[in-house]
Amino acid sequence: KNQVEQSPQSLIILEGKNCTLQCNYTVSPFSNLRWYKQDTGRGPVSLTIMTFSENTKSNGRYTATLDADTKQSSLHITASQLSDSASYICVVSAGREYGNKLVFGAGTILRVKS
Amino acid sequence: DGGITQSPKYLFRKEGQNVTLSCEQNLNHDAMYWYRQDPGQGLRLIYYSQIVNDFQKGDIAEGYSVSREKKESFPLTVTSAQKNPTAFYLCASSITSGSLNEQYFGPGTRLTVT
Repeated sequence: KNQVEQSPQSLIILEGKNCTLQCNYTVSPFSNLRWYKQDTGRGPVSLTIMTFSENTKSNGRYTATLDADTKQSSLHITASQLSDSASYICVVSAGREYGNKLVFGAGTILRVKS
Repeated sequence: DGGITQSPKYLFRKEGQNVTLSCEQNLNHDAMYWYRQDPGQGLRLIYYSQIVNDFQKGDIAEGYSVSREKKESFPLTVTSAQKNPTAFYLCASSITSGSLNEQYFGPGTRLTVT
């Protein structure tokens, strides 16, 4: 069964600290992996997208890594800010054979406090 | 929210009533999608449309209906046949349904049925 598991479910950190969110997937075949940020009551916004051949991609203070062999990804947030408080969602695309279907994780809820 | 509007933001209905959620995009995207988000779960695909006058069922289409008469618009009707309609509904669009194409999400509509 195609699944995307994220950990931890929630996380609280102090402003200025770094944190790493984890994503494990069983989706096969694999096309690409995306990280989205979703503020409360809003739609998700794309942070990064990585294909099979990419193992790291950055977007400002956000750095995503991908290990396609172990089917794991992480999202590292550097020097956290209060505005980073949101849900972070890992999404895997199953490829053309499955209609490019996206499989969504349940998200990690991050709270940054001062 | 990337040129996608959803209305209304909050919607309340009595059980047994059909309700239609609006989704409009001005991004000239061919593909549009409807997702449902429930607490603690990943987004689930309800319906998607790759082109005008064409749409396909997603993973949880039962109790829902859609139309795609115009490129810009993809309304979702939640019928009385949907057993648990209370949820956060997200509309998205992409240039095409290709696997690397980013999906842009609207701000969402929170539907409460009592």
